[in-house]
Amino acid sequence: EDKVVQSPLSLVVHEGDTVTLNCSYEVTNFRSLLWYKQEKKAPTFLFMLTSSGIEKKSGRLSSILDKKELFSILNITATQTGDSAVYLCAVVIDDATNKLIFGTGTLLAVQP
Amino acid sequence: DTEVTQTPKHLVMGMTNKKSLKCEQHMGHRAMYWYKQKAKKPPELMFVYSYEKLSINESVPSRFSPECPNSSLLNLHLHALQPEDSALYLCASSQARGWDSPLHFGNGTRLTVT
Repeated sequence: EDKVVQSPLSLVVHEGDTVTLNCSYEVTNFRSLLWYKQEKKAPTFLFMLTSSGIEKKSGRLSSILDKKELFSILNITATQTGDSAVYLCAVVIDDATNKLIFGTGTLLAVQP
Repeated sequence: DTEVTQTPKHLVMGMTNKKSLKCEQHMGHRAMYWYKQKAKKPPELMFVYSYEKLSINESVPSRFSPECPNSSLLNLHLHALQPEDSALYLCASSQARGWDSPLHFGNGTRLTVT
């Protein structure tokens, strides 16, 4: 059975801290891995990773994929209260239909 | 705001009602999706349309009926729902080719079945 596991399930930090969120996967047909941020409504797209070892960066956020060890990490440096959200990891397992398998998410709370 | 627009934002319906959820995108995407998300859970795939044809139905009960009238619109028709169907219903779209095209989600419709 295809599965995506995220850790930790929840995390509380203070502004300015650096956090690392983890995503591991076991799927029969890996195509790509995506990170989303979900506040109250729509998950918003952060990164798509398809190749091992290539870091994607966007401001204070960065992510990298290890296809040999079947995991990805999402780093957030100098956290701000606006980073508080659920961070979802998802794996595309079928490129004909773009079918996603989501992890359970990590709830990040950044305190002032 | 997202580029995928869903209406209504909130919907309360009784178990004997018939209602429809609507989704619209103008990004030229040829794949559209319905996801269901319960509280504190990740989104679960319900349906995938590719080039206006249904390509995935994740064994969804027939009280949910999707429709894709054209490449920009996606509807979800609801009939005889149960209280456990209460959830956030998310629409998403992407380029038809899968693995290099991320999904873009709408803000969802918060559905309550009484």
